[in-house]
Amino acid sequence: SQTIHQWPATLVQPVGSPLSLECTVEGTSNPNLYWYRQAAGRGLQLLFYSVGIGQISSEVPQNLSASRPQDRQFILSSKKLLLSDSGFYLCAWNGGTANTEAFFGQGTRLTVV
Amino acid sequence: AQSVSQHNHHVILSEAASLELGCNYSYGGTVNLFWYVQYPGQHLQLLLKYFSGDPLVKGIKGFEAEFIKSKFSFNLRKPSVQWSDTAEYFCAVSSSGNTPLVFGKGTRLSVIA
Repeated sequence: SQTIHQWPATLVQPVGSPLSLECTVEGTSNPNLYWYRQAAGRGLQLLFYSVGIGQISSEVPQNLSASRPQDRQFILSSKKLLLSDSGFYLCAWNGGTANTEAFFGQGTRLTVV
Repeated sequence: AQSVSQHNHHVILSEAASLELGCNYSYGGTVNLFWYVQYPGQHLQLLLKYFSGDPLVKGIKGFEAEFIKSKFSFNLRKPSVQWSDTAEYFCAVSSSGNTPLVFGKGTRLSVIA
């Protein structure tokens, strides 16, 4: 069966420090991968999605970037965190076609101080 | 770009009351529609989905949703809510091909005794 791993679960980082959140999927190949940010009252904001290795689409211009170095690995990064980057980040995957449901990781609570 | 609107930010109902949560999307082509639920402290999970066929879709835990193409709507319903239905509910849409899954801002449901 397929599983999705996202870590760390919580993270406290100072302003200006770098960020690296990792997400890996097991049990499937060539998944679509997503990074969302969830904020109270704002739902799930799509940040990045990827349909294949090295293919990243950015939905919202911001201080973050994403990379997909391997088929089942998706990384969310920042060179210098801002206070406004605090939030709850979710990784998700679905099959290679649009009519498949998405499966979510447990999320990372990032607090920038 | 497609977007999803959930008109109710917070709904408060008594146990046994009927529920209807609104969801409208903006996309004129073929769409795939989803409702997800997030119980307190848990990750997102799928309630139900519509790809094609019967526009009335049955999901888990007694939930159903009706796709009305002419109204671009996919409202979620349950005839009699329980306290355990207290959660946040998200509507999501994707279109054909490798387009990303886009979520609404969510509706928080509080069921009181």
